[in-house]
Amino acid sequence: AQSVTQPDIHITVSEGASLELRCNYSYGATPYLFWYVQSPGQGLQLLLKYFSGDTLVQGIKGFEAEFKRSQSSFNLRKPSVHWSDAAEYFCAFGYSGGSNYKLTFGKGTLLTVNP
Amino acid sequence: SAVISQKPSRDICQRGTSLTIQCQVDSQVTMMFWYRQQPGQSLTLIATANQGSEATYESGFVIDKFPISRPNLTFSTLTVSNMSPEDSSIYLCSVGRTLYEQYFGPGTRLTVT
Repeated sequence: AQSVTQPDIHITVSEGASLELRCNYSYGATPYLFWYVQSPGQGLQLLLKYFSGDTLVQGIKGFEAEFKRSQSSFNLRKPSVHWSDAAEYFCAFGYSGGSNYKLTFGKGTLLTVNP
Repeated sequence: SAVISQKPSRDICQRGTSLTIQCQVDSQVTMMFWYRQQPGQSLTLIATANQGSEATYESGFVIDKFPISRPNLTFSTLTVSNMSPEDSSIYLCSVGRTLYEQYFGPGTRLTVT
């Protein structure tokens, strides 16, 4: 069965430091992968997506993610973190369930940014 | 993308009562989804609401508890019926675009006392 794993529940980084959030998936076919961010008290905002083609995808707010089929991973990166990046980050996986397209989400990684 | 609004943004309800959550989209969409996010947890899909057909519920969710309406291509409601404290969650609607892409509303934070 398809699944998404985010190994890190909570990560703390200093402002200006680089960031990498891990995401691993389990699926037998070509995955459709997403990263969403949820700021406190807010809904989810789509950061970036991977469907096919170039394995390095650029998103909003300076984020990028790299799809590695050999490692079944889709890690999110940012070269320099800003205090406003503090939020919860969800990796998600798109699949076809019956007649509908669905998303299944990882458990999320909470990012704390120290000044 | 799409602009999605939800009403109410939050509510505190007594057990045994029901709450209807509204989701409005600024453009016509075929697929709408309802999710539950329990405290400190990830999102769990409750049901898919496509206009012109009955909602499709995920395992563990039933229509009697979470009836859904989808009267047109820009609006949907989710009712949480006969509430208990375990229903305290954030409820989010989303709309589907091409290739699994979904955009989310701001959520409704429900507390059941």
